[in-house]
Amino acid sequence: AQKVTQAQTEISVVEKEDVTLDCVYETRDTTYYLFWYKQPPSGELVFLIRRNSFDEQNEISGRYSWNFQKSTSSFNFTITASQVVDSAVYFCALSEAYSGAGSYQLTFGKGTKLSVIP
Amino acid sequence: DSGVTQTPKHLITATGQRVTLRCSPRSGDLSVYWYQQSLDQGLQFLIHYYNGEERAKGNILERFSAQQFPDLHSELNLSSLELGDSALYFCASSVVADSSYNEQFFGPGTRLTVL
Repeated sequence: AQKVTQAQTEISVVEKEDVTLDCVYETRDTTYYLFWYKQPPSGELVFLIRRNSFDEQNEISGRYSWNFQKSTSSFNFTITASQVVDSAVYFCALSEAYSGAGSYQLTFGKGTKLSVIP
Repeated sequence: DSGVTQTPKHLITATGQRVTLRCSPRSGDLSVYWYQQSLDQGLQFLIHYYNGEERAKGNILERFSAQQFPDLHSELNLSSLELGDSALYFCASSVVADSSYNEQFFGPGTRLTVL
């Protein structure tokens, strides 16, 4: 069975600090996808990134960066120079890559609530 | 805006009642996934429909059912509602091919409150 663990329930940082959100996953699949979603106070789920299991290159998008390490089954998310608008709940999720049933449901972690204090 | 619409946005009802949540996928997407977000269980997968056919079931209660219509919109029916059914219900759509994965785009959610 697949499992995603986000050990940090809540994090508070002061604006302009860097912050890393941890994600550890478990799967028996050799090929899978990892995701990060953002849920601002308004409630919608906003897609941030998808990463294939066979691509361990780190990715940077503006102030966001992701570190994928298969050896430790981790897919951590760093926000550099945090801003108040980054305050949200962030979810890490996992999906298998191939399904005989053609269904690719996401398994989510419990989420990390990030509060950025001005 | 993801292109996925969900109605209603908010729903308040009483225990024992039945409600229907509606989801319209993005144009061209054949798949609809339903997820429930509650304080106790977090975000969990309920059920997946592809082109009118049920493809997979997750932690969906027997009191809950879903269907996908020929125009591809989907409805999630919740009956004999209990206080614990209060949650945010999301649908997500994607184009699914049997040998590859497509991203899921989430709707804004329906917040259900059972009093």
